[in-house]
Amino acid sequence: QQQVRQSPQSLTVWEGETAILNCSYEDSTFDYFPWYWQFPRESPALLIAIRPVSNKKEDGRFTIFFNKREKKLSLHITDSQPGDSATYFCAASVNYAQGLTFGLGTRVSVFP
Amino acid sequence: GPKVLQIPSHQIIDMGQMVTLNCDPVSNHLYFYWYKQILGQQMEFLVNFYNGKVMEKSKLFKDQFSVERPDGSYFTLKIQPTALEDSAVYFCASSPGTANTEVFFGKGTRLTVV
Repeated sequence: QQQVRQSPQSLTVWEGETAILNCSYEDSTFDYFPWYWQFPRESPALLIAIRPVSNKKEDGRFTIFFNKREKKLSLHITDSQPGDSATYFCAASVNYAQGLTFGLGTRVSVFP
Repeated sequence: GPKVLQIPSHQIIDMGQMVTLNCDPVSNHLYFYWYKQILGQQMEFLVNFYNGKVMEKSKLFKDQFSVERPDGSYFTLKIQPTALEDSAVYFCASSPGTANTEVFFGKGTRLTVV
């Protein structure tokens, strides 16, 4: 059973639109939720992260909305740019010493 | 930003042989990890390593797997003997182990067992 689920598998948006990526999780002890993005032939890199004490985290055009009761979170990319085209991974962990549990990823394509 | 280096980027090995994957983590980091990603599947946690010891390992970390970081050099993942199902991309990662919880990943080593 997947502990972290992501949807959709892939998403295409036009430049300037908002992309919405969804994530849900099973384990209520998870307390750290980073989003990583990965460009082809590159390392996954931390994009933005949230802890359950907050229900929103914003960093420029990227915003995480978090619903602890429903065990769901979403990543919103506003004013999407072609350079945002990448695979986005939702992850979760109990603390930094333990491993991250990753979702399958959402491949985002932004067309000009 | 800080970089985790993995050597080699690709490796092809005969089934049953031993393979060692090398990782040069970020220099002041304290926690080290290996993840495995089979094509089309998610990245899955294998093991983490701190202060010279395995702290936690998943069920994917078979008895044929071992990790070490002798004398602060490369953090290595050794598979002996290899099996066909070990074919995957192996990502090394490290983190400072402080309030900064970011985990930094390498680009991965693609292992093909034939």
